[in-house]
Amino acid sequence: QVQLQESGPGLVKPSETLSLTCTVSGTSVSSGLYYWSWIRQPPGKGLEWIGYVYYNGDTKYSPSLKSRVTISVDTSKNLFSLKLTSVTAADTAVYYCAREAAVYYFDYWGQGTLVTVSS
Amino acid sequence: DVQMTQFPSTLSASVGDRVTITCRASQSFSGWLAWYQQKLGKAPKVLIYKTSSLQSGVPSRFSGSGSGTDFTLTISSLQPDDFATYYCQQYNDYSRAFGQGTKVEIK
Repeated sequence: QVQLQESGPGLVKPSETLSLTCTVSGTSVSSGLYYWSWIRQPPGKGLEWIGYVYYNGDTKYSPSLKSRVTISVDTSKNLFSLKLTSVTAADTAVYYCAREAAVYYFDYWGQGTLVTVSS
Repeated sequence: DVQMTQFPSTLSASVGDRVTITCRASQSFSGWLAWYQQKLGKAPKVLIYKTSSLQSGVPSRFSGSGSGTDFTLTISSLQPDDFATYYCQQYNDYSRAFGQGTKVEIK
């Protein structure tokens, strides 16, 4: 079955770079049928789409985060990654990776990983 | 960017009630809308995609409709398992955006 699993540090210092990886199983990031996305949720708040990567490396980012975000894909390892630079406390959130299906909804999600920005 | 406004933000209802949640776009868009259910500490789960298509395995008491700027999620007869937070999600060529969420509470 399709599974996505986020991994990375749970604590990042202000002004540093947040780095997360999403390891995918049961489906291939090389498939042209899907986009591979990152979504976050600050504690007690709603969902915010961060961006996606396509199998060929094409990306699309949220305009509000575009200047700080990089999403990349590693087809050899069947994973994709998120980098968010110059983080502040406002970037504290549960970060989810998700698969976006061909009709533009998120059909599979990781369990989420809490990243706290604090010195 | 298309902004999605979801209302109400909180809804108190009883088991068996018919419940409607609305998502309004800041401008008409030609893309599709999806609805998700999220329970505390869990990842969201898709209920409806392409505005009105029921995801496999989702009970038929859930339905979606709408076009242009106004979209609705309806639960025909609220069940105990349905108390959760619901989000709409819009797609267009440029971005994806979620509504702010509607928490459905027990009355």
